[in-house]
Amino acid sequence: AQSVSQHNHHVILSEAASLELGCNYSYGGTVNLFWYVQYPGQHLQLLLKYFSGDPLVKGIKGFEAEFIKSKFSFNLRKPSVQWSDTAEYFCAVNARAGNMLTFGGGTRLMVKP
Amino acid sequence: GAVVSQHPSRVICKSGTSVKIECRSLDFQATTMFWYRQFPKQSLMLMATSNEGSKATYEQGVEKDKFLINHASLTLSTLTVTSAHPEDSSFYICSARGDRGIGEQFFGPGTRLTVL
Repeated sequence: AQSVSQHNHHVILSEAASLELGCNYSYGGTVNLFWYVQYPGQHLQLLLKYFSGDPLVKGIKGFEAEFIKSKFSFNLRKPSVQWSDTAEYFCAVNARAGNMLTFGGGTRLMVKP
Repeated sequence: GAVVSQHPSRVICKSGTSVKIECRSLDFQATTMFWYRQFPKQSLMLMATSNEGSKATYEQGVEKDKFLINHASLTLSTLTVTSAHPEDSSFYICSARGDRGIGEQFFGPGTRLTVL
């Protein structure tokens, strides 16, 4: 069975600070990897995804993530956060051979203006 | 991107009643739909996976007789919480995946169920 862990449950940053949110998964096979964001009172939105190819993936709103296969990691980064990035971020993994999308526990990011 | 809607967005009901939640893919055909439950300050937990025209596959620990799922068409899936109790109060989220999206799911806005 696949599992996903996000190490940081709560992160507080000041505007313009750099962000890195950790995500590790456990699954021996080929996976698709996702980062979703949930802004307060809104539904889940896809930030970025990795299926194959270049392991450095660029998403919307200046976010990027790097897939490091040897570390089973897919960390999310942003060089300079804004107050509007305050939200909850979920890493998710989908085994290529299956249907199920497994979510990490989420990281609640608060950006202070 | 693809749009998924849910109705109702919020429902309050008395204990013992049944509640139906609809999930619709508005601009694509969803061969597979998923139902999740999200407790406050927690992550999404997959409840069941439904493929159009077949029975849903429930995750371990999810009572299929309590959470009835119907995926009668390529654009509509329904979740019925039967004989709801206060412990069923939660945020229910559906997602849909079409033929062209490899593994990518599009999420609905969720339905907040409160059982009194």
